[in-house]
Amino acid sequence: QKEVEQNSGPLSVPEGAIASLNCTYSDRGSQSFFWYRQYSGKSPELIMFIYSNGDKEDGRFTAQLNKASQYVSLLIRDSQPSDSATYLCAVKLTGGGNKLTFGTGTQLKVEL
Amino acid sequence: NAGVTQTPKFQVLKTGQSMTLQCAQDMNHNSMYWYRQDPGMGLRLIYYSASEGTTDKGEVPNGYNVSRLNKREFSLRLESAAPSQTSVYFCASSAIYNEQFFGPGTRLTVL
Repeated sequence: QKEVEQNSGPLSVPEGAIASLNCTYSDRGSQSFFWYRQYSGKSPELIMFIYSNGDKEDGRFTAQLNKASQYVSLLIRDSQPSDSATYLCAVKLTGGGNKLTFGTGTQLKVEL
Repeated sequence: NAGVTQTPKFQVLKTGQSMTLQCAQDMNHNSMYWYRQDPGMGLRLIYYSASEGTTDKGEVPNGYNVSRLNKREFSLRLESAAPSQTSVYFCASSAIYNEQFFGPGTRLTVL
């Protein structure tokens, strides 16, 4: 079992819809969770991070964390074609120091 | 602030050649990282430096060496490049909550 797992996609959603991206992790003791967006040919850019169970909102983005079920989600409201990218989930695993472990990413396509 | 900068942006090497990838950050971060990204493999950690003066191996360190020159700079060296090292290389630094910020990347091809 991979430490951080994401469905590779592509996930296709129509413009204006809610995109839901999921990530599961194996280390029950993990405390910090991060979402990155990566456009093709570009470097990952931080969207947001979450530490506590529940929801954290930042503009059109909402991160949801459920530690009991060991998953973290990213919701993108009012999806736009400019949101089409690969979304990477990263987790700070127990005993990993400052290191993050990344999933392989989910490709999102927002269609007109 | 420039954030994290990397040089060069592109490089083509022949098998056996050596090169150094340079990385610098101006955010006063303690920790810095080198990753490689290959299709279907995601980001894999090569080496990291938790603080100035320390370096540690990551997931895929073989064939690489690093130097944390000072708090700002963290370089990655390929002593004898191999085709398997063809990849995109990203440098990153991390802030107080461990969120990492990435440089623009170096696209390396080894022939």
